[in-house]
Amino acid sequence: AQSVTQLDSQVPVFEEAPVELRCNYSSSVSVYLFWYVQYPNQGLQLLLKYLSGSTLVKGINGFEAEFNKSQTSFHLRKPSVHISDTAEYFCAVSDPGDSNYQLIWGAGTKLIIKP
Amino acid sequence: KAGVTQTPRYLIKTRGQQVTLSCSPISGHRSVSWYQQTPGQGLQFLFEYFSETQRNKGNFPGRFSGRQFSNSRSEMNVSTLELGDSALYLCASSQGFRETQYFGPGTRLLVL
Repeated sequence: AQSVTQLDSQVPVFEEAPVELRCNYSSSVSVYLFWYVQYPNQGLQLLLKYLSGSTLVKGINGFEAEFNKSQTSFHLRKPSVHISDTAEYFCAVSDPGDSNYQLIWGAGTKLIIKP
Repeated sequence: KAGVTQTPRYLIKTRGQQVTLSCSPISGHRSVSWYQQTPGQGLQFLFEYFSETQRNKGNFPGRFSGRQFSNSRSEMNVSTLELGDSALYLCASSQGFRETQYFGPGTRLLVL
């Protein structure tokens, strides 16, 4: 069964510094990959998704992620973070060929921006 | 287009009571999924409805149930509430099966 690992539960970073949030999944079969962001006391907002095509995916708010099939990873990056990026980030994976298609979620990574 | 809406946003109940939460999907979306989010367990899938039929179900007891109406609006019900049911309940809608999910703001349930 598919599983998702977000290697860091918290990532502290200074404002205007670059950041990478790591996500690895277990199975190398065909996958759909997603990053969602959850701001305090809110629901989840889709940041970006990979369904097929170019392995570099650009999302909202200046975020991007790169699909690496050989390393089964989908790491999220931003070149310069702002205080408003303080939130929890969730990676999710799905198998489009699974008849019981559902999103498998990582545990989340809290991004903490230090002024 | 308006996003996914959930009502109520906050709810306080006592053990043993039951509760009904409502979700209105994005216009044109026919699939609605429900999730429970807690600090300890993270995001856990409850069930998914598509065209008024439950397509998929997570590993939750029968106290958790749901339904979907012909206009795609969905409700979930939890009977005989337990303290451990305190959580943020999130609803997500998508155009169809295997489509990208868009989330509502959630209903925060506190069971005392």
